[in-house]
Amino acid sequence: QQQVKQSPQSLIVQKGGIPIINCAYENTAFDYFPWYQQFPGKGPALLIAIRPDVSEKKEGRFTISFNKSAKQFSLHIMDSQPGDSATYFCFWEPRGGNEKLTFGTGTRLTIIP
Amino acid sequence: NAGVTQTPKFQVLKTGQSMTLQCAQDMNHEYMSWYRQDPGMGLRLIHYSVGAGITDQGEVPNGYNVSRSTTEDFPLRLLSAAPSQTSVYFCASSYSSQGSGPGNTIYFGEGSWLTVV
Repeated sequence: QQQVKQSPQSLIVQKGGIPIINCAYENTAFDYFPWYQQFPGKGPALLIAIRPDVSEKKEGRFTISFNKSAKQFSLHIMDSQPGDSATYFCFWEPRGGNEKLTFGTGTRLTIIP
Repeated sequence: NAGVTQTPKFQVLKTGQSMTLQCAQDMNHEYMSWYRQDPGMGLRLIHYSVGAGITDQGEVPNGYNVSRSTTEDFPLRLLSAAPSQTSVYFCASSYSSQGSGPGNTIYFGEGSWLTVV
């Protein structure tokens, strides 16, 4: 089964720092790379997504970068704030034939003041 | 918009008891799924459905049962609760399981916290 490996499992960053979360995948049978954000006590919600025909996408302080040769995509949070403290999941949506929508293992991010 | 509604929010069960977690969505989504979330394990797929009358197993189906009699509802049944089923359960829905893009955003419920003693 295809896998998406997410790292790190947890991350503590000081306010204003730039946390980086990475996801590595095994093959190129994807055409959409979303990230989901989950606050404590809530369900995950779509944060930002990128298609592999672009190398970077920015939405506010959140940036996804995509490295096709390394089979990796990353989430960066610029000028991080305590309100960004959450669990972040990358997501694997296989292209055709497999209906098991699978998430990465998640990264628990804590931004300290 | 109600989105995805899960009930109950919290539940304590004794080992061996059975119960049903309810899930309903009002977005006319074909695809619905159940995940469990445990510390360090991320979101693991339990069961999923691609439409009314069609269900299939996910990554961790043992001890759980599902049915999909309508497009809107997708209940999850615990047949004989065990302490290993203590977890947070999330129901989710999306337009389909195929085809990428913003139109296929996955929407989650608020979660059901289940403790089995």
